Amino acid sequence: SAVISQKPSRDICQRGTSLTIQCQVDSQVTMMFWYRQQPGQSLTLIATANQGSEATYESGFVIDKFPISRPNLTFSTLTVSNMSPEDSSIYLCSVKGGGETQYFGPGTRLLVL
Amino acid sequence: KQEVTQIPAALSVPEGENLVLNCSFTDSAIYNLQWFRQDPGKGLTSLLLIQSSQREQTSGRLNASLDKSSGRSTLYIAASQPGDSATYLCAVSTGNQFYFGTGTSLTVIP
Repeated sequence: SAVISQKPSRDICQRGTSLTIQCQVDSQVTMMFWYRQQPGQSLTLIATANQGSEATYESGFVIDKFPISRPNLTFSTLTVSNMSPEDSSIYLCSVKGGGETQYFGPGTRLLVL
Repeated sequence: KQEVTQIPAALSVPEGENLVLNCSFTDSAIYNLQWFRQDPGKGLTSLLLIQSSQREQTSGRLNASLDKSSGRSTLYIAASQPGDSATYLCAVSTGNQFYFGTGTSLTVIP
């Protein structure tokens, strides 16, 4: 299994500011995934982050709004830029472990005022 | 595009009852299916993973089945307990992409 930590666990931010969320895994993984879970909804994949290459973004998500870094095989960051209240969500990072099981971090709860 | 549906959206049962949660998906070309549990305001905990070649998986009081040809999976919870109260999500994988259902919110009443 993989143990994933995220920082911060929660934050309250002002409109127009940016927040960087960190994701740390206890083992080396090739692919890391960033998801968003808006209130009352299921998870939506934002992007897939591979070490040493540009992140791959899903339809509706762009790099200018959600820049991602992946400096090594155990760490990634997601920045939510120029935030608006519509960005209020839980942001989760995940990895695929052995046997294709997907593991999730505890999530970052973001509230934008 | 793969669409995943979970029925019912919410379920309330008395403690001790056996129950079944349903998950359906539109494209049978899946790699695997995974059931998760999510507690309020928290991340997801993996419960069971079923590979596309498998029919079911069991862990303790949980049993998940998969009928890939009909695009269905069920999660059976035996002898439910108040601690089972949570939202249960199913997700299907087409390789590198996971598609999530909207979840079933389960409440087990003591």
